[in-house]
Amino acid sequence: GENVEQHPSTLSVQEGDSAVIKCTYSDSASNYFPWYKQELGKRPQLIIDIRSNVGEKKDQRIAVTLNKTAKHFSLHITETQPEDSAVYFCAAPGGGNKLTFGTGTQLKVEL
Amino acid sequence: DAGVIQSPRHEVTEMGQEVTLRCKPISGHDYLFWYRQTMMRGLELLIYFNNNVPIDDSGMPEDRFSAKMPNASFSTLKIQPSEPRDSAVYFCASSSRGTYNNSPLHFGNGTRLTVT
Repeated sequence: GENVEQHPSTLSVQEGDSAVIKCTYSDSASNYFPWYKQELGKRPQLIIDIRSNVGEKKDQRIAVTLNKTAKHFSLHITETQPEDSAVYFCAAPGGGNKLTFGTGTQLKVEL
Repeated sequence: DAGVIQSPRHEVTEMGQEVTLRCKPISGHDYLFWYRQTMMRGLELLIYFNNNVPIDDSGMPEDRFSAKMPNASFSTLKIQPSEPRDSAVYFCASSSRGTYNNSPLHFGNGTRLTVT
């Protein structure tokens, strides 16, 4: 099955700085890579996803890059704000429709 | 659209009791997933259904766990008998065409289960 590794496990940045979270996956057949944000006590919510036919996708302050050769993808958040503080999960399909999640990154944006 | 609806939000039970978690997926979504979230193991897929049929239950921990989807708008996850190590947040999620077809998961608010 798919193995997804995510790092760092915790990330602390100053407000206005950028944050980068990285993930690697094992299944070269994976073709869909979503990112979820989970605030404390709430459900994971999709913030951005990328398909394997593109190398980068942006949505306002959030961007995701994908390197299929190296089997890694990254989440970039620019101009971080306190409301960006949450746990972020990457994911990759592990055969069929089995979405395997990374272990999560606790992002803290400090004032 | 009300999103994925789960009940109850919180469940506290004693070891050995039967627990039933419920889920109503988004209307029109063909895929339904049950995930379990703990600090130690993160988000684990337990089972998923396509058009009400269980497709992959390899994540179900043991025979104490069972899941059903009698129709397109309802699914249950049952634990019998429950044990303290089952304490976790259980999420239900649905997807219109499945992640294989690049369709995202939409999660419910989860059920926080505590087994004492």
